[in-house]
Amino acid sequence: DTGVSQNPRHKITKRGQNVTFRCDPISEHNRLYWYRQTLGQGPEFLTYFQNEAQLEKSRLLSDRFSAERPKGSFSTLEIQRTEQGDSAMYLCASVRERGGFFPETQYFGPGTRLLVL
Amino acid sequence: QQQVKQSPQSLIVQKGGIPIINCAYENTAFDYFPWYQQFPGKGPALLIAIRPDVSEKKEGRFTISFNKSAKQFSLHIMDSQPGDSATYFCAASMGEGSGSARQLTFGSGTQLTVLP
Repeated sequence: DTGVSQNPRHKITKRGQNVTFRCDPISEHNRLYWYRQTLGQGPEFLTYFQNEAQLEKSRLLSDRFSAERPKGSFSTLEIQRTEQGDSAMYLCASVRERGGFFPETQYFGPGTRLLVL
Repeated sequence: QQQVKQSPQSLIVQKGGIPIINCAYENTAFDYFPWYQQFPGKGPALLIAIRPDVSEKKEGRFTISFNKSAKQFSLHIMDSQPGDSATYFCAASMGEGSGSARQLTFGSGTQLTVLP
């Protein structure tokens, strides 16, 4: 168990550019979540994958955002035509959900901090 | 709509003190209430979690107290240490029978400082 990894850790871009982040979940974790965290706030849910299927999207996920999880392994989150309001920490979490009475732990990665100039 | 309200925003205690962080929720469909700890530059890490069928859960120095009728829950840290200085988030999720994906709804966080 090497934990959830995210790359890059930091990204600075100019407004209007496209950026892509990668998340590598813990091996055999079947669920993967993306959250966004702005300064001084708690993380907010963006989207979720069950294996390779993207099953839910938050209203925060505008049409400039797209996420994939090919083959149910790593996931990418792309933001097109970035805006200054997209500046935030983007967190990935993975879970091996088995449907038991007590939900399994969501393990978070260190995040990718995005700054849009 | 903020569904989980957390207070205080910041808290300073002396070493050995017992900081208490409070959260209140609105949605009665929530059925799982974890607390996460976050250090600067790191992702949140689970500390302790509770379901509403019990009123208290203790793990090491961390205790959750849960009041289902008041829709409130709190985190107590016994014998706090400078190494506990971090940001603490309460969270909640609902079961898949409610159309949920078990995504977490977080409070706004409490920055705890434990003075040596």
